[in-house]
Amino acid sequence: AQKVTQAQTEISVVEKEDVTLDCVYETRDTTYYLFWYKQPPSGELVFLIRRNSFDEQNEISGRYSWNFQKSTSSFNFTITASQVVDSAVYFCALRSYNTDKLIFGTGTRLQVFP
Amino acid sequence: DAGVIQSPRHEVTEMGQEVTLRCKPISGHNSLFWYRQTMMRGLELLIYFNNNVPIDDSGMPEDRFSAKMPNASFSTLKIQPSEPRDSAVYFCASSLEYDQPQHFGDGTRLSIL
Repeated sequence: AQKVTQAQTEISVVEKEDVTLDCVYETRDTTYYLFWYKQPPSGELVFLIRRNSFDEQNEISGRYSWNFQKSTSSFNFTITASQVVDSAVYFCALRSYNTDKLIFGTGTRLQVFP
Repeated sequence: DAGVIQSPRHEVTEMGQEVTLRCKPISGHNSLFWYRQTMMRGLELLIYFNNNVPIDDSGMPEDRFSAKMPNASFSTLKIQPSEPRDSAVYFCASSLEYDQPQHFGDGTRLSIL
């Protein structure tokens, strides 16, 4: 069975702090894809990143970085120097190679205070 | 480029009424997905289509729910009759290929009184 666990329900930080959102996944597949989505207070779901299971290189995009470790089945997301605009719910998701079906975690609500 | 377009953005109706939610996927995308988001259950996949054909409808909660995709640029999700427990945000998403990300519409916030 496939499963995504985001153990942190809610995180609060003060602006400029670094914050890491955890994502642990379960799958028996050797080929799969991992995603992060952001849901700001306005409600839309915004795609942030896709990673395939054969690419364990960490990725950095501005203040955002992702750490993919197959050995621990984790795909963590770090925001450096957080800003108030980063306040949102962040979802991690998993998709097997042979299906279009996305399995979402329950999300982590990040609140960044000024 | 236009993203996924959903209508209406908000719908408030009385129990027992028929509700139709509409979705226009991104042009060229061949997979379309309907999700429901609630506080209790999070994001749930209801049904998805590939090349206009329903592939997996195991998430559709009851026979009161039905979805169609008559062509590559339009899909509907219908609830008949609606019940208060159907109140949720319904998202439509589309993707180009199986390994490509899904892009979501802004959602329809549905309230059944």
